[in-house]
Amino acid sequence: EAGVVQSPRYKIIEKKQPVAFWCNPISGHNTLYWYRQNLGQGPELLIRYENEEAVDDSQLPKDRFSAERLKGVDSTLKIQPAELGDSAVYLCASSHFGGRDTQYFGPGTRLTVL
Amino acid sequence: AQTVTQSQPEMSVQEAETVTLSCTYDTSESDYYLFWYKQPPSRQMILVIRQEAYKQQNATENRFSVNFQKAAKSFSLKISDSQLGDAAMYFCAWTRDDKIIFGKGTRLHILP
Repeated sequence: EAGVVQSPRYKIIEKKQPVAFWCNPISGHNTLYWYRQNLGQGPELLIRYENEEAVDDSQLPKDRFSAERLKGVDSTLKIQPAELGDSAVYLCASSHFGGRDTQYFGPGTRLTVL
Repeated sequence: AQTVTQSQPEMSVQEAETVTLSCTYDTSESDYYLFWYKQPPSRQMILVIRQEAYKQQNATENRFSVNFQKAAKSFSLKISDSQLGDAAMYFCAWTRDDKIIFGKGTRLHILP
C-alpha cells in the first residue's frame, strides 16, 4: 500500500512570504495529523482531522496558520505570512481511526525561512 | 496536563549488545496507548512498538520489547542484539483517541 505522501520535500522562502504544504494520507485512513518538528525535538501536534472535521486545532497559531482537508482525503497546511521562527520540519501523519491506532508518517517538508 | 519525559537525550551501545531507553509519563487517565516510534536520519518516522494501557503483558516485536509499569507510569524500550540499522532518534508517545503527546526523543548511536 502507498504510504503518506507529502510535498514539497524542501522549501526555502523569505520571511513574510506565504507557503503551503500538501499531504495525501494512506487510503482509508480517517484521521490526519499535521505536526511541527523543531530540530532535536519531538513532533508537536498542530491540527488533527477526523475525516474533514478539524477536531483538535488548539495548538495551531491561527493568526498565520490555516489548514483544510477537503472531502476528508488530502490536506493542505498554509502559513501566511511566514516568520523566521517557522523554520522546522512539517510532518503529516494518518491513522485508520484516532489516537489508539498506529500513525503512519510522511517524509516531511523541511521549511527554511530566511 | 499529560507530559512525556525521555530523560536520555543521547545513548550509545555496542553492536550486538542490549540497550534500554527510558520513558516516563504523567496522566490521570486510565485508558490510553503508548508507542515507541523510530526516526532514522532519512526523517520518516516509523512505528517500533505499541502498548495498550489495559494490557498487563509487555509488548514485544522481534528484538524490541517494552517494560510497561503502569503504576510507576514508566514505558521503557529494550533493544536486544543492537544493529547498525537501529541508529536513529526514538520517540515515546502517549495517546488517547483525542490526544497525543510525544517526548523529546533519545538519539541512539550504534558503535561497530
